[in-house]
Formats: sequence, C-alpha cells, structure tokens
Amino acid sequence: RKEVEQDPGPFNVPEGATVAFNCTYSNSASQSFFWYRQDCRKEPKLLMSVYSSGNEDGRFTAQLNRASQYISLLIRDSKLSDSATYLCVVTLGTGGFKTIFGAGTRLFVKA
Amino acid sequence: DGGITQSPKYLFRKEGQNVTLSCEQNLNHDAMYWYRQDPGQGLRLIYYSQIVNDFQKGDIAEGYSVSREKKESFPLTVTSAQKNPTAFYLCASSMNPTSNNEKLFFGSGTQLSVL
Repeated sequence: RKEVEQDPGPFNVPEGATVAFNCTYSNSASQSFFWYRQDCRKEPKLLMSVYSSGNEDGRFTAQLNRASQYISLLIRDSKLSDSATYLCVVTLGTGGFKTIFGAGTRLFVKA
Repeated sequence: DGGITQSPKYLFRKEGQNVTLSCEQNLNHDAMYWYRQDPGQGLRLIYYSQIVNDFQKGDIAEGYSVSREKKESFPLTVTSAQKNPTAFYLCASSMNPTSNNEKLFFGSGTQLSVL
C-alpha cells in the first residue's frame, strides 16, 4: 500500500463547477499535511496547509480527518487556470526529508 | 529575488556518461533536497542535506552522488551506474530541518533524458 494515495484522475470539469479531491495516508503518526499544485513540467508550489479544524483560502477549502486518515481539497467555481495536478503531501515528523508526496490528481477545467 | 535556481532546464546524457545538475539557493535555508519525479509517481527523495558538509541518502540514492561544500549549493551527479536516469529532477530547500511543519521551496526542475 502506498503511504499517500490519491485518485490520479483526470477530472474533467466545466468552468464554474465544484470539484473535490481526496487523499488517504497510511501512517497514523503523520504530523503535517499540505496540498501542492504542480503545472506540467514545472515545480510544485504550496497551495495550502491542512488543519484538523479545516481551512479555507478563497475558493479552496481543505479538510483533515485524522481518525479516518483522510485529507480533502474542495475547489469552488473552477477557473481555466485551476487546470493542474494537485499533490497531497504528508510529513512524518521532524525534518523536510520526512515529507511524503502523493502521485497527484490531474484536473482539467474546460470552457 | 530570493529563490532556488536549477540548471540546465534540459539535459541529455550519453551512455556511460556522468552528468551534473546544478542547484543554487539564496534563501539562506539550511536544508536542501533532491527529488526525482517519474510519470504517474510521487516525488521520490534521492539525497538530502541538513547542514553544510553533511548529506544523507534518501530512498533512491543508488547511482547518484551529491556534495554540500557551500550552504547555497547542492549539485547532483547522475553517474553511469544509474541505468534508468530519464526523469524530471527537482531540487528543494527548507529553512529549518528540525521543524515538523517544514514547507519545501522548489527549483524549476531539470528534465534529464538519455540519448
């Protein structure tokens, strides 16, 4: 079983749609959680951290369920510019070298 | 502007050749990392360094070597022992290697292909 699992997609949605991505992690000792965005052949960029209380940044909402070891990302009112791959990222403890990356979920937003 | 610079953007390797990928950062970060990304897979850690003159193997270090002689620089050499080097290579840095909420900052990547 992979340490961080994501649905690879692709998700094809029209502009204005709401889309949700899910991610599960296997290590219950995981400490920090993030969503990164990666455009084709570019570097990943931090989209948002994920907290147990849930957090929102504009059209993006992230949720963490520690009991189920489950993370989600909700994108409302999708824009063409949201087309990218979204990486679920988990850290297992102290130090960046304990960062585990999911394979990513591909999103295409169409006009 | 502060950031991480990787070069070259594209690199071609011939059979039996060693090639070196450059990574420089001016963020004053202590820790630096090298990842490899293959299609359909998550980033995999090759090597990391938490302090100057020290580095550790990651999950897939075989066929690679690194050095950390300066805080700003963490070059990666892909040796001829790496039989499947074609991939997208990403360098990253982070401020505090002892933090448990460490955010990574990435360079723009190098696409390595075999001729």
